[in-house]
Amino acid sequence: QVQLQESGPGLVKPSQTLSLTCTVSGASVSSGDYYWSWIRQHPGKGLEWIGFIHNSEYTYYNPSLKSRLIISADTSRNLFSLKLTSVTAADTAVYYCARGRYDLGDLHYFDYWGQGIRVTVSS
Amino acid sequence: QSALTQPASVSGSPGQSITISCTGTSSDVGTYNYVSWYQQHPGKAPKLMIYEVSNRPSGVSSRFSGSKSGNTASLTISGLQAEDEADYYCSSYTSSSIVVFGGGTKLTVL
Repeated sequence: QVQLQESGPGLVKPSQTLSLTCTVSGASVSSGDYYWSWIRQHPGKGLEWIGFIHNSEYTYYNPSLKSRLIISADTSRNLFSLKLTSVTAADTAVYYCARGRYDLGDLHYFDYWGQGIRVTVSS
Repeated sequence: QSALTQPASVSGSPGQSITISCTGTSSDVGTYNYVSWYQQHPGKAPKLMIYEVSNRPSGVSSRFSGSKSGNTASLTISGLQAEDEADYYCSSYTSSSIVVFGGGTKLTVL
């Protein structure tokens, strides 16, 4: 059974870097079959796709976040990570990691999700 | 503002059917059959209910169905049950090679 679990600090100061980790079980982050993704949900709002990593090295980011974002993978620990720099209150959200399914390079849907981690940006 | 437009709320009585619409453009819903729907109960992670417009994952009730016409996709829930009360989000792949979501629809079972 595939499971994803986010971890990281729940509080980050403005201008600092938000760092989160998603530990995966039941599937391999080095597998070329999936796009390992991050998605966030602002308080009381809808979902926003952040980006993904594929084959442990190829990344693709939402252009709105691209300049501040790095997604990486650690295959030895079967996890992938998100780093978002220069955070502001607008980055306060619940962050989810998810497994993306794709075909011919196009991301189709997310079939497994982590439980989410609430991150607040505040001094 | 979300890229895909959904009604803020819909409601129905137990046993009835409801439909939630998801309107995009020719750059997303209208071109790609990569529309998916997610159910989210309060405080929980989204759950995949429909993928690629009309396919149901294993374990999802046949009461849930999806369709698409032009730039608008739809999720229909038949035989409404109390447990269906949740927020529903649509999603689509886009010509910009990103995924966009709708703003979500709150389903109330009366």
